[in-house]
Amino acid sequence: KQEVTQIPAALSVPEGENLVLNCSFTDSAIYNLQWFRQDPGKGLTSLLLIQSSQREQTSGRLNASLDKSSGRSTLYIAASQPGDSATYLCAVRSGGSNYKLTFGKGTLLTVNP
Amino acid sequence: GAGVSQSPSNKVTEKGKDVELRCDPISGHTALYWYRQRLGQGLEFLIYFQGNSAPDKSGLPSDRFSAERTGESVSTLTIQRTQQEDSAVYLCASSLVLGLRIPHEQYFGPGTRLTVT
Repeated sequence: KQEVTQIPAALSVPEGENLVLNCSFTDSAIYNLQWFRQDPGKGLTSLLLIQSSQREQTSGRLNASLDKSSGRSTLYIAASQPGDSATYLCAVRSGGSNYKLTFGKGTLLTVNP
Repeated sequence: GAGVSQSPSNKVTEKGKDVELRCDPISGHTALYWYRQRLGQGLEFLIYFQGNSAPDKSGLPSDRFSAERTGESVSTLTIQRTQQEDSAVYLCASSLVLGLRIPHEQYFGPGTRLTVT
């Protein structure tokens, strides 16, 4: 059974700092990995999707890497801003069904002005 | 184009009552998913609909939970005889399904926050 773990559970940084969020998964046979952002009372916003054949994806100040063999992904946020404050969720699509997403519990990020 | 919408946004109900949650997917998305997010927990998969195929109900936690979808449009998630442990945010997502029946990126609605008192 696939399990996804995110470290740290919470992170507080001053504005302008670069930071890294970590995600690990137990079954390396994944189709893809996705990073989401969740704001309080809101749904999930997809940030980056990395296919199993890819090593990284970039969007603006965000860069996500994937090391499938070791079961790890990182989300790098450059020059953090208070507006980046949210919960960041990692999810993998794996297993016999190619549509189920298995989520981690998330990292709660607070960027202080 | 509108995104995934869900209603109601909040629902407070008494233990033992039935509730119905609604999801309107993005037009043209043939795949629809329901997830549950309990406080402090990750999202849990509940059910998956794809076109006219039989839904994957493997994530439904008990027989009090059921879901229906009309064609490739609206879906309703029904919880009968609600219990306090059913309190959670219920999220719906939809996606395209590309060649080889591989689902594409999922787009999520804002969720319904259910509180059972």
